[in-house]
Amino acid sequence: DIVMTQSPDSLAVSLGERATINCKSSQSVSYSSNNKYYLAWYQQKPGQPPKLLIYWASTRESGVPDRFSGSGSGTDFTLTISSLQAEDVAVYYCQQYYSTPGFTFGPGTKVDIK
Amino acid sequence: EVRLVESGGGLVQPGGSLRLSCAASGFTFRSFPMNWVRQAPGKGPEWVAALSAPGDRTYYANSVKDRFTISRDNSNNTLFLQMSSLRVEDTAVYYCAKPRSVLLRSAFDPWGQGTLVTVSS
Repeated sequence: DIVMTQSPDSLAVSLGERATINCKSSQSVSYSSNNKYYLAWYQQKPGQPPKLLIYWASTRESGVPDRFSGSGSGTDFTLTISSLQAEDVAVYYCQQYYSTPGFTFGPGTKVDIK
Repeated sequence: EVRLVESGGGLVQPGGSLRLSCAASGFTFRSFPMNWVRQAPGKGPEWVAALSAPGDRTYYANSVKDRFTISRDNSNNTLFLQMSSLRVEDTAVYYCAKPRSVLLRSAFDPWGQGTLVTVSS
């Protein structure tokens, strides 16, 4: 199985400041045939299911605020919240959907307000 | 609006069985592969199983292989997860999740609200 790791485990950011979350896959999650990265980011608030924010590593899901952006290549990916808002307090997970079976998730990064 | 509503969770003893259901609406269910994902208390999500749109191909996590069976009824827009030989470590909220495209290798969007399965004596 592809192992996903995230850093940091948690971070506290002041309102309006930037938050950066890193995700690393143990092997490539892209096909050379289409040059796409099979990498998604989810946001989960307490008592709710995860919500898709980003897919194909950098494509924002419809309705997701543009302060959320995804980037990366190879095996290293980043989720950036450009200006943290109070409603962004949550746990964020990366996921690879490249290999079947085994669409593995990262362990999560908790984002709080400083 | 896409809706996924899970049911069938509850308390079961180790070694027992349980059948989860996921009622789908708001999209052409028969056209999409579907997934089950679980999340143990305080942990990240763990993908459990996937099923092709016509129901002829199944995929399982190693942790549940040979114990869980995923199936679907495309006439009634329902996804199932039959769980047997349950273990304490199977305790989790179980979500059904739709891929955002008709491709199996797609991000999950949306997820249902989940149903809690507790395995305990």
